Amino acid sequence: EPEVTQTPSHQVTQMGQEVILRCVPISNHLYFYWYRQILGQKVEFLVSFYNNEISEKSEIFDDQFSVERPDGSNFTLKIRSTKLEDSAMYFCASSPLRSASTDTQYFGPGTRLTVL
Amino acid sequence: QKEVEQNSGPLSVPEGAIASLNCTYSDRVSQSFFWYRQYSGKSPELIMSIYSNGDKEDGRFTAQLNKASQYVSLLIRDSQPSDSATYLCAVNSNTGNQFYFGTGTSLTVIP
Repeated sequence: EPEVTQTPSHQVTQMGQEVILRCVPISNHLYFYWYRQILGQKVEFLVSFYNNEISEKSEIFDDQFSVERPDGSNFTLKIRSTKLEDSAMYFCASSPLRSASTDTQYFGPGTRLTVL
Repeated sequence: QKEVEQNSGPLSVPEGAIASLNCTYSDRVSQSFFWYRQYSGKSPELIMSIYSNGDKEDGRFTAQLNKASQYVSLLIRDSQPSDSATYLCAVNSNTGNQFYFGTGTSLTVIP
């Protein structure tokens, strides 16, 4: 069964450094998402992406963040100048249909980001 | 900020009992509602989605939606120890492409 994959599983970085989190969505899916979950807290929406552009973003997704689909398979989240409070689990998700609001999102296993 | 509220629990039920999980949401225009299960250290997994008022059943799971009361619930019948997890309620924004999650309810099914 196809799965969303994410690399790395754990990323440790120093405050102020840039990190790139990578995701490979399921191949025929059209919508892509990034979420984060700070330890012990709720899952928070960051951004949705469709047709090579951001569809919607939350207040969390400020200029520090960017997303890109550099090729036909990868979907990346870049965090510039990381802060301690960026430490969280970052989940990528994808969904197959155009109607994102009624579609099943398949989550990847997550990347745990630790900012020291 | 749109809010999705859930009782954090923990909720404990004996094996074979019915577990009832509740969720309220603040955005009246939300149209899509989801229940996810999240095991400790794992990613969310979709259990049920519901879009219309009333009940929707899928195996041992029943989702109930009442848009007038801005309330959605999940019933788990014949609870099994493997159902022990955190259950997340999620709703979508009025544009459809942004999703809000509750903090989750921790469920423990006691053998």
